[in-house]
Amino acid sequence: GENVEQHPSTLSVQEGDSAVIKCTYSDSASNYFPWYKQELGKGPQLIIDIRSNVGEKKDQRIAVTLNKTAKHFSLHITETQPEDSAVYFCAASTSGYALNFGKGTSLLVTP
Amino acid sequence: DAGVIQSPRHEVTEMGQEVTLRCKPISGHDYLFWYRQTMMRGLELLIYFNNNVPIDDSGMPEDRFSAKMPNASFSTLKIQPSEPRDSAVYFCASNIGGIQPQHFGDGTRLSIL
Repeated sequence: GENVEQHPSTLSVQEGDSAVIKCTYSDSASNYFPWYKQELGKGPQLIIDIRSNVGEKKDQRIAVTLNKTAKHFSLHITETQPEDSAVYFCAASTSGYALNFGKGTSLLVTP
Repeated sequence: DAGVIQSPRHEVTEMGQEVTLRCKPISGHDYLFWYRQTMMRGLELLIYFNNNVPIDDSGMPEDRFSAKMPNASFSTLKIQPSEPRDSAVYFCASNIGGIQPQHFGDGTRLSIL
């Protein structure tokens, strides 16, 4: 089955800096790659997603890039703010139904 | 708009007891998913339904786990009998189908003593 690796497991940045989280996947048939943000005591919330026919997608301070050849995708957060502190999960899916999640990255943005 | 609603938010019970977790998906969403989150294994898909019919239950860990969706607005996940290793946060999610975002509830934190 699909295996999704996520790095780093923890990330600490200063407010205003950029944060980058990277994921690799194993199944070349995967075609949907969402990113979720999870705050303490809450469920994962979708922040951005990308489909395999697109190489990059941006939404304000958040961007995702996809390299299908290398089977990796990355989340980029620019101008980080303390409220960006949370756990971020990447996921990959071949159908949009069974999401295979990475183990998560705990992001801390310090003022 | 109301999101995915799960109840209870917290459940503490003794091993051997039956546990029932409940989920109300977003209205109009045809797909419902049950996930389990633990520190060791992360987020795992247990089962998902399409139009109230179970499609894939390959993630259900044991026969002690069962899930039903009697109608479009309600699903249950039951564990009987419960064991301490079932302690986890259980999430329900829904979407309209296809390659579309899944929307998660805030989960049920289950502790089996």
